[in-house]
Amino acid sequence: EVQLVESGGGLVQPGGSLRLSCVVSGLAFGSSDMGWVRQAPGKGLEWVAAITSASESSRHADSVRGRFIISRDNSKNTLFLQMNSLRSDDTAIYYCAKGHFRWAFDFWGRGTVVTVS
Amino acid sequence: EIVLTQSPATLSLSPGERATLSCRASESISINLAWYQQKPGQAPRLLIYDASDRATDIPARFSGSGSGTDFTLTISSLEPEDFAVYFCQQRSDWPLTFGQGTRLDIK
Repeated sequence: EVQLVESGGGLVQPGGSLRLSCVVSGLAFGSSDMGWVRQAPGKGLEWVAAITSASESSRHADSVRGRFIISRDNSKNTLFLQMNSLRSDDTAIYYCAKGHFRWAFDFWGRGTVVTVS
Repeated sequence: EIVLTQSPATLSLSPGERATLSCRASESISINLAWYQQKPGQAPRLLIYDASDRATDIPARFSGSGSGTDFTLTISSLEPEDFAVYFCQQRSDWPLTFGQGTRLDIK
């Protein structure tokens, strides 16, 4: 069974930092492109960041570039999102997701809640 | 960035009816479009990728069509579990973008 389990969310003050993790099992993580997608309360989906399987390339949305960094550790089947200089409009559920045919997303975690207040 | 506009915002139908959801891109994206279903409190679920290919384990009543700028998700005969929010997403260019969603309600 494929599982993506996010952690690291919580309540943080504006200007603070958080590091999200996503542990993946049941699939070939080291061969999978991965991404983060967020959803503000009652709103739609917003792509945040993406990284290729061997970390050769990464991309970030304009809204987070320079503040968030996506990374991964293939030896630990884990995806990360380092979030710095957090703002109130970063408040959202953060989902990690596996890339499919670069770049739809075919497997998703349940999400971790980040509240900036 | 490529803007995706979904219509209608809300669609009210009855079980057994046919649902037609639209997604229009601000510029041509070839067939680089995916559709997702999201139910309350759940993560999105991939339904369709590359405009018309069904994802694994997706029932045949879901179908996608279109290319360029105009795309359609069709649910041929609505089941009770199909009432949810549907999002389209383009992967043609960075940044990846989603439509604002169509809510499919029970009439």
